Amino acid sequence: TQLLEQSPQFLSIQEGENLTVYCNSSSVFSSLQWYRQEPGEGPVLLVTVVTGGEVKKLKRLTFQFGDARKDSSLHITAAQPGDTGLYLCADESGAGSYQLTFGKGTKLSVIP
Amino acid sequence: GAGVSQSPRYKVAKRGQDVALRCDPISGHVSLFWYQQALGQGPEFLTYFQNEAQLDKSGLPSDRFFAERPEGSVSTLKIQRTQQEDSAVYLCASSQRAQGLTGELFFGEGSRLTVL
Repeated sequence: TQLLEQSPQFLSIQEGENLTVYCNSSSVFSSLQWYRQEPGEGPVLLVTVVTGGEVKKLKRLTFQFGDARKDSSLHITAAQPGDTGLYLCADESGAGSYQLTFGKGTKLSVIP
Repeated sequence: GAGVSQSPRYKVAKRGQDVALRCDPISGHVSLFWYQQALGQGPEFLTYFQNEAQLDKSGLPSDRFFAERPEGSVSTLKIQRTQQEDSAVYLCASSQRAQGLTGELFFGEGSRLTVL
């Protein structure tokens, strides 16, 4: 059974600071998705990465996928209060599987 | 509608009661998923429908959980004889893709179930 570990579990920073959160897998990712979930809402897809070493940018967010496809990071530059939420990484649990395996998430609070 | 709609948003049940949670996916989306999210945890897969066919129910925690999607659109998740450990947010998601997950899942806001 694949295990996804996310760190840190909680992160509280001041507006304008930079931060990085991590997602590590016990096995190679099929494809990795990052989601953000705001309180009282469902997760919203931010990005999908598939290729080892891949880097994707989404405005102030930079996503990196490890060469071995077992780890990923999300870096946020100049965090804003609107970035507050639970950041989840998820992987398809194998070819032909319909299941997404989620990590427990990193709960980010950006203080104005 | 524009997004995935779930109802009720909040449900309080006494232990032993039956509950039904409804999901209205994005129109035309073939795939529909149910996930359970306990407090402080990530979502966990419950079941998957492709149109009206339930192709995977391996995540349902017990035979008290039952899901259906009879006409390939609206889905209902039913929990019989609720227990305190059933307390969680139940998330529904839909996708226009028929096979696999190499595409975007659109989640609803969830139904928060509290069992007293």
